[in-house]
Amino acid sequence: DSGVTQTPKHLITATGQRVTLRCSPRSGDLSVYWYQQSLDQGLQFLIQYYNGEERAKGNILERFSAQQFPDLHSELNLSSLELGDSALYFCASSPGAGPGANVLTFGAGSRLTVL
Amino acid sequence: DQQVKQNSPSLSVQEGRISILNCDYTNSMFDYFLWYKKYPAEGPTFLISISSIKDKNEDGRFTVFLNKSAKHLSLHIVPSQPGDSAVFFCAACMDSGYALNFGKGTSLLVTP
Repeated sequence: DSGVTQTPKHLITATGQRVTLRCSPRSGDLSVYWYQQSLDQGLQFLIQYYNGEERAKGNILERFSAQQFPDLHSELNLSSLELGDSALYFCASSPGAGPGANVLTFGAGSRLTVL
Repeated sequence: DQQVKQNSPSLSVQEGRISILNCDYTNSMFDYFLWYKKYPAEGPTFLISISSIKDKNEDGRFTVFLNKSAKHLSLHIVPSQPGDSAVFFCAACMDSGYALNFGKGTSLLVTP
């Protein structure tokens, strides 16, 4: 157990629908990151939050949004889903600053299947 | 735009031999490099890292080498064990506390 909790583990939905993925970071970590891993692709960085504020944005589609709440958990919202959005979505956390800031701890991922 | 590249999708090595996994990067601003290991149905786990001020970092059976002029790093595993069979991801970042850029991974198979 890495200490990063992601729910749900698996999700099957239809095109056009909207889903929410949830992440609880490791205790004490202030930064949360979202990554997408599609078939034959590496881990694509989507977005980072640090202590409730958006810190960096990667290749996140406009149909996707995220937020980090005061208790530091984060949600990734995916809307108007398309077949190509089927992927593993990983959440990771890190202290966010200081020693170990660059070492991300990953959750087990949420596998999204869009039919 | 893939800034971190792992050009070998897979590698097969015999138990006890050395495994060498390679990684190239294009962004000269990267100053911190990491290797992660991933087993099926699990998230990636941190393995070893190196900062740009060093050219080698060792941790047990794992050694990472960094060649800044060539923008190349490699992970050496000696000796390789069947339990090392996993996907290895190379990652890099520019500054403390920012997101990692990952390669596509190399699937290592260590055969008995």
